[in-house]
Amino acid sequence: GENVEQHPSTLSVQEGDSAVIKCTYSDSASNYFPWYKQELGKRPQLIIDIRSNVGEKKDQRIAVTLNKTAKHFSLHITETQPEDSAVYFCAASRTGNQFYFGTGTSLTVIP
Amino acid sequence: SAVISQKPSRDICQRGTSLTIQCQVDSQVTMMFWYRQQPGQSLTLIATANQGSEATYESGFVIDKFPISRPNLTFSTLTVSNMSPEDSSIYLCSVDGGVGTGVREQFFGPGTRLTVL
Repeated sequence: GENVEQHPSTLSVQEGDSAVIKCTYSDSASNYFPWYKQELGKRPQLIIDIRSNVGEKKDQRIAVTLNKTAKHFSLHITETQPEDSAVYFCAASRTGNQFYFGTGTSLTVIP
Repeated sequence: SAVISQKPSRDICQRGTSLTIQCQVDSQVTMMFWYRQQPGQSLTLIATANQGSEATYESGFVIDKFPISRPNLTFSTLTVSNMSPEDSSIYLCSVDGGVGTGVREQFFGPGTRLTVL
C-alpha cells in the first residue's frame, strides 16, 4: 500500500515569513495529492490539491509543487499570518478514493 | 461541497459495550469513508463504504470490530464493537464529491469523539 511521509512534524515561523512542508510517497501510481488544514478541535478542511499532470498549482498565498520522478510534493505558504497556525496534512491517492495521509505538521505563526 | 453531519458528536462509554456512529450527507455520494484520528495523530483510514456492497477494510481493521452499514447514497454507520480504552479516538466520516460529479476531493464530517472508560 501507499506510505506517505511528512516533514517537519512541527514548524514555527515569524509572521510574514514563508513556511514549507514536504511530503514523500511510495506508490508511483498515486496521481492525486490534496492538502488539508485542521484547526484545533475542528475537522480537516481541504486547502489545495494537485493532480499528477501538473507540476505546480497556486491559490493566493498557498502553492503546491509536485515532482513525480522523485515522488515528493510540497506545500508553500507565503506571507504567513497567525490564522495560518494549524496542523497540516498531506495525502496521496491512486484511485481517487482511498486517501493515505501523512503524519501531520503543526505550524505555529508567531505574531 | 457536501454538508456532512455525524451523531453523536461525543460519547463516553464503558469497556465491552458498542457504539454506533451515524454519518448523514445532504447529497448523494458514491463513496463514504471512515477514519480514526487518535489525539495528536494523523488520520487512519478504517474502511471504505460503498452502497449496496460490503465495506472494504484497511489492514489492521476487521468487520467484526468495526461493522459498517451503507443502506443508501446519503447515509452510513460505523459501529465500534466490544470497546476497550484503546478505541478512544475521534472517528470521522468523509465523502467524495458526489454522484456524477467526478470530483475527487474528500470532505469530512465534524467527527465523533469517543472516550472508553
